[in-house]
Amino acid sequence: EVQLLESGGGLVQPGGSLRLSCAASGFIFSNYGMSWVRQAPGKGLEWVSSIGTGGSTFYADSVKGRFTISRDNSKSTLFLQMNSLRAEDTAVYYCARTIAFDSWGQGTLVTVSS
Amino acid sequence: EVVMTQSPLSLPVTLGQPASISCRSSQSLVHSDGNTYFNWFQQRPGQSPRRLIYKVSNRDSGVPDRFSGSGSGTDFTLKISRVEAEDVGVYYCMQGTHWPRTFGQGTKVEIK
Repeated sequence: EVQLLESGGGLVQPGGSLRLSCAASGFIFSNYGMSWVRQAPGKGLEWVSSIGTGGSTFYADSVKGRFTISRDNSKSTLFLQMNSLRAEDTAVYYCARTIAFDSWGQGTLVTVSS
Repeated sequence: EVVMTQSPLSLPVTLGQPASISCRSSQSLVHSDGNTYFNWFQQRPGQSPRRLIYKVSNRDSGVPDRFSGSGSGTDFTLKISRVEAEDVGVYYCMQGTHWPRTFGQGTKVEIK
């Protein structure tokens, strides 16, 4: 069974940083592209970033230059380094398998507020 | 950026009756490889999203056959043949052909 477990969310001040992690199990992690999708409170879904099996990366314009996606295949873990955080980055961040989001984690809440 | 427009945004339905959600994209979703990377997702209250349909009409594992997807190019439809109580939630369309990936605004399905 595919399992994705996000962690690392929390309360951070504007301009601060957070690093999200997504621990994957139940599949061969290195064989799949992975993505982050976020959902602001009471709002819809917004794609944030994806990383391919070879390490190619893609970002939404809203986070480009501030967020960095990476992966550690030896630990079956996906990361999202978030810098220069803004209030509008407040959301539940979901880890999703592939760039077609065929499986999702339970999400981790990031709150950017002073 | 490809804009995905769903209608309706709210859909009250009667149990056992059919329901239909439309999604239109601002550009063709036919990829250069010939595939159309268009998906439907369901988000039940308090839960993570779940993919229901991929590449327009393919149901994901475990998805009841009362859900069906159709369409081509820029116009797509999700149909529920007979709505059940567990189908309550928000449904999103999403295109995976172009970068950035984009979602529709969501359609809230509720029971009358």
